[in-house]
Amino acid sequence: EAGVAQSPRYKIIEKRQSVAFWCNPISGHATLYWYQQILGQGPKLLIQFQNNGVVDDSQLPKDRFSAERLKGVDSTLKIQPAKLEDSAVYLCASRPPGLAGGPADTQYFGPGTRLTVL
Amino acid sequence: DAKTTQPTSMDCAEGRAANLPCNHSTISGNEYVYWYRQIHSQGPQYIIHGLKNNETNEMASLIITEDRKSSTLILPHATLRDTAVYYCIVRVSGGSYIPTFGRGTSLIVHP
Repeated sequence: EAGVAQSPRYKIIEKRQSVAFWCNPISGHATLYWYQQILGQGPKLLIQFQNNGVVDDSQLPKDRFSAERLKGVDSTLKIQPAKLEDSAVYLCASRPPGLAGGPADTQYFGPGTRLTVL
Repeated sequence: DAKTTQPTSMDCAEGRAANLPCNHSTISGNEYVYWYRQIHSQGPQYIIHGLKNNETNEMASLIITEDRKSSTLILPHATLRDTAVYYCIVRVSGGSYIPTFGRGTSLIVHP
């Protein structure tokens, strides 16, 4: 079974530039998450999709971050314009369908995209 | 939301058992305990989860206290490849499942 794919793996940009990350979840996984992980900290949820609808985006800085999941499969996370404090690893994860907390309720993470903002 | 408390770091000798504790004293009755680990430069990886019974799989064992206020992840024979940050999380109560990761425990397995 192919895992969660993310690209690019690394990105270096200057502040005020724009950047986009792409995620392809595991086939059949309806739930998709984007996390931000700053060095030395645990992943912080930015946004959660169920199919192509947003379940939670309360921690997404909407003035500069946006995300979409067209057709309920691939997803794109964009930052425009980037700030120095956006330097982090951006992780995408997906979860198979099933009851939350149940036997199938596990998240599968991609390798992440390491963003450096100069 | 149920919060978890884990030691910042631990170390273990290769071949010995690694016992990683987690405190979740405010856990609700319908909340599961999940463990993930994150090896350097990789995304987190699911290890195991449980509700109230002890669980075992090919990677680890999970021991949950009877009052469910704490749990221990056991790696029975730690190897150097088990060096990672280990996260204990519980399902946030409410209508939607919003996973929350803390800082985790950095486990270093030494020769």
